[in-house]
Amino acid sequence: GAVVSQHPSRVICKSGTSVKIECRSLDFQATTMFWYRQFPKQSLMLMATSNEGSKATYEQGVEKDKFLINHASLTLSTLTVTSAHPEDSSFYICSARGWDKNGYTFGSGTRLTVV
Amino acid sequence: AQTVTQSQPEMSVQEAETVTLSCTYDTSESDYYLFWYKQPPSRQMILVIRQEAYKQQNATENRFSVNFQKAAKSFSLKISDSQLGDAAMYFCAYRSGFDSSASGSRLTFGEGTQLTVNP
Repeated sequence: GAVVSQHPSRVICKSGTSVKIECRSLDFQATTMFWYRQFPKQSLMLMATSNEGSKATYEQGVEKDKFLINHASLTLSTLTVTSAHPEDSSFYICSARGWDKNGYTFGSGTRLTVV
Repeated sequence: AQTVTQSQPEMSVQEAETVTLSCTYDTSESDYYLFWYKQPPSRQMILVIRQEAYKQQNATENRFSVNFQKAAKSFSLKISDSQLGDAAMYFCAYRSGFDSSASGSRLTFGEGTQLTVNP
């Protein structure tokens, strides 16, 4: 079946630095990528949606300059958390959709800790 | 905007028994899709079952089945013969049938129900 590889699975960074999270669709073309943030025991909160080759559409309240999303190819999307702060510590999950409009494949998530 | 509500933050079931998780949603659209996802402790999101709103027949996948009541906007998940591996957070999700709609192709998730399976 469809697989999305998300890396890194865990990352610890210092406050003020940037962190890049990658999501790769291994056996299908991801026409749309969704990026979520999840706090412990809570639901997934959509941060942004990106279509290959287009600028990402951010949800209300999500800072575009802080959470940079690049979806330059049909198999790779990246989320860069810039100038990270402790409040950015969270679990980030990507989800890719290919030509099957109801096929949402999730990455395994990245636990980000900012110290 | 569409909303999805899961009114049971936690549920528990004895191994081999049946449990039903509730989900209601609010939408003005006539064409949409509904999903149940499972998130075990590994936090990997796994599709359990999905339902097209235009289909009257309830979807089933082995021990998992749904009770889709379109008029009541209800979409409950029934897990039969519960197994220890079913312990997880379960999320109900909604997707518009029209990618060009305001909500686009996104999934709208409920708050989740934490299911515990007791041996």
